[in-house]
Amino acid sequence: DQQVKQNSPSLSVQEGRISILNCDYTNSMFDYFLWYKKYPAEGPTFLISISSIKDKNEDGRFTVFLNKSAKHLSLHIVPSQPGDSAVYFCAAAQGAQKLVFGQGTRLTINP
Amino acid sequence: KAGVTQTPRYLIKTRGQQVTLSCSPISGHRSVSWYQQTPGQGLQFLFEYFSETQRNKGNFPGRFSGRQFSNSRSEMNVSTLELGDSALYLCASRTVGGAEAFFGQGTRLTVV
Repeated sequence: DQQVKQNSPSLSVQEGRISILNCDYTNSMFDYFLWYKKYPAEGPTFLISISSIKDKNEDGRFTVFLNKSAKHLSLHIVPSQPGDSAVYFCAAAQGAQKLVFGQGTRLTINP
Repeated sequence: KAGVTQTPRYLIKTRGQQVTLSCSPISGHRSVSWYQQTPGQGLQFLFEYFSETQRNKGNFPGRFSGRQFSNSRSEMNVSTLELGDSALYLCASRTVGGAEAFFGQGTRLTVV
């Protein structure tokens, strides 16, 4: 039972353009959503989060959008930079319960 | 403030052996979770410990076990290793009631 899904295994974007990573969830009890970035052979690094009481949260080049009715969230990176090339995981939690992760999307930024 | 520390970083074991991985959480964090990442897979939740008690458990066989000590440090044990146990094992710590988890660099386990 995959409660959090990232349907795009990979995404390729030109440097300077916008990268949009998508995530869908099925559990309507989730009330906190997070994005992590992961380089090979390293642990995931926390990027940005959003509570279910909001529909947008922004931090520099990163913006997360939450559409509760569609059970969908997205991460926008503008402008995309070569250092953004990594695997991005979305995660969801209900209160302080365990984090449930998606399968990840490999983002490649092309010069 | 030191981050989450996992030891060792790399391990090579033979099928049938057992292994113990260690995790030291961020100071003040009392919740420690373990995840397994295999190629092409997301992060699969193994278990979570809080105040020395297992609070959540994922869908892994009983060969996977863990424990947490009074100083919040945690260990994970895998017995009777199988080739399919080769993976990156990640530990994450959180504050009480916090949703954001902070990860260590992981232990790369290779079973041959």
